[in-house]
Amino acid sequence: GAGVSQSPRYKVAKRGQDVALRCDPISGHVSLFWYQQALGQGPEFLTYFQNEAQLDKSGLPSDRFFAERPEGSVSTLKIQRTQQEDSAVYLCASTRTSQETQYFGPGTRLLVL
Amino acid sequence: QKEVEQDPGPLSVPEGAIVSLNCTYSNSAFQYFMWYRQYSRKGPELLMYTYSSGNKEDGRFTAQVDKSSKYISLFIRDSQPSDSATYLCAMSPGYSSASKIIFGSGTRLSIRP
Repeated sequence: GAGVSQSPRYKVAKRGQDVALRCDPISGHVSLFWYQQALGQGPEFLTYFQNEAQLDKSGLPSDRFFAERPEGSVSTLKIQRTQQEDSAVYLCASTRTSQETQYFGPGTRLLVL
Repeated sequence: QKEVEQDPGPLSVPEGAIVSLNCTYSNSAFQYFMWYRQYSRKGPELLMYTYSSGNKEDGRFTAQVDKSSKYISLFIRDSQPSDSATYLCAMSPGYSSASKIIFGSGTRLSIRP
């Protein structure tokens, strides 16, 4: 069956440019998570949705980062005015219920020049 | 100091060897302990999880948790070249989606044929 998919897989942005990263969770999965993984580091939590409600956004590094999941399925992570320190892999994960293990997508590799 | 510390490696062992991967942590509230495997250019996939202290075995993999020492381990028996990947320890205070998962930085493992 289809897993979590993310697009684009690779994104090169000029500093100051806005980017939008998309996550398609496994169909029917209620919870959705975004993580940021810097080179040589483990994933770090950014934000969490249960259906369309954003229940925790404490990991978003600045107000340049914004995430939405308007219909409780697809989610978009938007980064405004990108900076070089935003270069990382952005991972999306989903779970069927709030009590299950997280399934990760392949990530979007963002490079800000 | 990070909440979860993990030796980044790289660790290189011959095929068939027993591999030992370890993490230490500082937050005594952690109750759930996980090991993820991450192949290059892929998202993490859950290998094993354990609750509180003790051992858990699954095929060639054994996870150990020692809460008194705040130390967790993953052992891989009869290691195979296909086990070459980055191994991430992870932990959280609870199992629900509302409990943030904190990841170690990952240990890069290479199994030599």
